[in-house]
Amino acid sequence: DAKTTQPPSMDCAEGRAANLPCNHSTISGNEYVYWYRQIHSQGPQYIIHGLKNNETNEMASLIITEDRKSSTLILPHATLRDTAVYYCIVHNAGNMLTFGGGTRLMVKP
Amino acid sequence: KAGVTQTPRYLIKTRGQQVTLSCSPISGHRSVSWYQQTPGQGLQFLFEYFSETQRNKGNFPGRFSGRQFSNSRSEMNVSTLELGDSALYLCASSETGTGFSGYTFGSGTRLTVV
Repeated sequence: DAKTTQPPSMDCAEGRAANLPCNHSTISGNEYVYWYRQIHSQGPQYIIHGLKNNETNEMASLIITEDRKSSTLILPHATLRDTAVYYCIVHNAGNMLTFGGGTRLMVKP
Repeated sequence: KAGVTQTPRYLIKTRGQQVTLSCSPISGHRSVSWYQQTPGQGLQFLFEYFSETQRNKGNFPGRFSGRQFSNSRSEMNVSTLELGDSALYLCASSETGTGFSGYTFGSGTRLTVV
């Protein structure tokens, strides 16, 4: 699976949008972009995934650039409960997720 | 529906002992993967089982082993425990094993080796 690069940490004000970037310049055509988050001492939680089109669900939006070399996860109205480590993973039909260091998002009141 | 259940939640073992951890996937999920999480190494893939067969394996020594039963429940075993095996062990299940529907993780088993 392709390697991803994320900033180690970010802050966001409560109620504002949190935009978490991810670079995956070596992504191949059959690899999806997945986002998970892990709240302290819990198992990672699936957020969203996409291949080339932008995606939205009840939790977040995923914006993937046209060349697919980078993506942004958007939490439209961050709350204190969104404080977590966010992992961007590119993944093909194999069955292992390769986690990087992730971005530690701190939502502040 | 019930989530992924891992037992026990916490475990303390002594160096040299062996330990068995259990994971019950979501009903209907046939793929179970195991991960080790430590502060120094982050989340690392151990192995994945699908329909009772190990399909993928990470870069861990042979002391780490697993199996899957016909009801998709999985166990992992660590023999001859070392202090460095202290970690949060997570399992994840998915429907088809391709991951396109996303993986659901359990809350983990926190193993402490003393």
